[in-house]
Amino acid sequence: DQQVKQNSPSLSVQEGRISILNCDYTNSMFDYFLWYKKYPAEGPTFLISISSIKDKNEDGRFTVFLNKSAKHLSLHIVPSQPGDSAVYFCAARAGGTSYGKLTFGQGTILTVHP
Amino acid sequence: EPEVTQTPSHQVTQMGQEVILRCVPISNHLYFYWYRQILGQKVEFLVSFYNNEISEKSEIFDDQFSVERPDGSNFTLKIRSTKLEDSAMYFCASSEGPRTGDNSPLHFGNGTRLTVT
Repeated sequence: DQQVKQNSPSLSVQEGRISILNCDYTNSMFDYFLWYKKYPAEGPTFLISISSIKDKNEDGRFTVFLNKSAKHLSLHIVPSQPGDSAVYFCAARAGGTSYGKLTFGQGTILTVHP
Repeated sequence: EPEVTQTPSHQVTQMGQEVILRCVPISNHLYFYWYRQILGQKVEFLVSFYNNEISEKSEIFDDQFSVERPDGSNFTLKIRSTKLEDSAMYFCASSEGPRTGDNSPLHFGNGTRLTVT
């Protein structure tokens, strides 16, 4: 199942700089997108979401951009902090399916160096 | 902040045995889910549950799986006869459900690691 793809398995960034995590999707029926962060031995923690009617959503240091024509979304973290080091998952939901049926990407490991 | 709690954190069982994984969703949430993540693979949807019935299930969720909300607080996943390939991290999640003008996100528990030997 490659409907949601995170092509970069890992990303390394210096503290204070911008982290950009990318996600591509193939299913045109996806109408709601989320980013989750996951630490080892914990469950995914919700970060930020965006509906397909928007192209940008901000929450503090986190901004998600959606480019529907390219079927691409990205998560920007500015400024990056060492505590942001985790696995980041992109997830999507298709309209017409069960509300909580999310399709996940395989994750990107973000490492923020002090 | 309210959280989803799962027990046990690790369950080891022999092939063919029944297991029950337990979850306490966030108290005012109405929608409940199970997901799983096999080691090295993606997080996968198993089932969603609302108003005491399954609202959707994936092809993974076959007759060996069942879910139940036995009381007002617990939500369980039962695997009737475990197979080696059922070894995975199982995550419970809950959400308020759709909100006017927005969507409420899923909140996940820390998972139960199921090991089938």
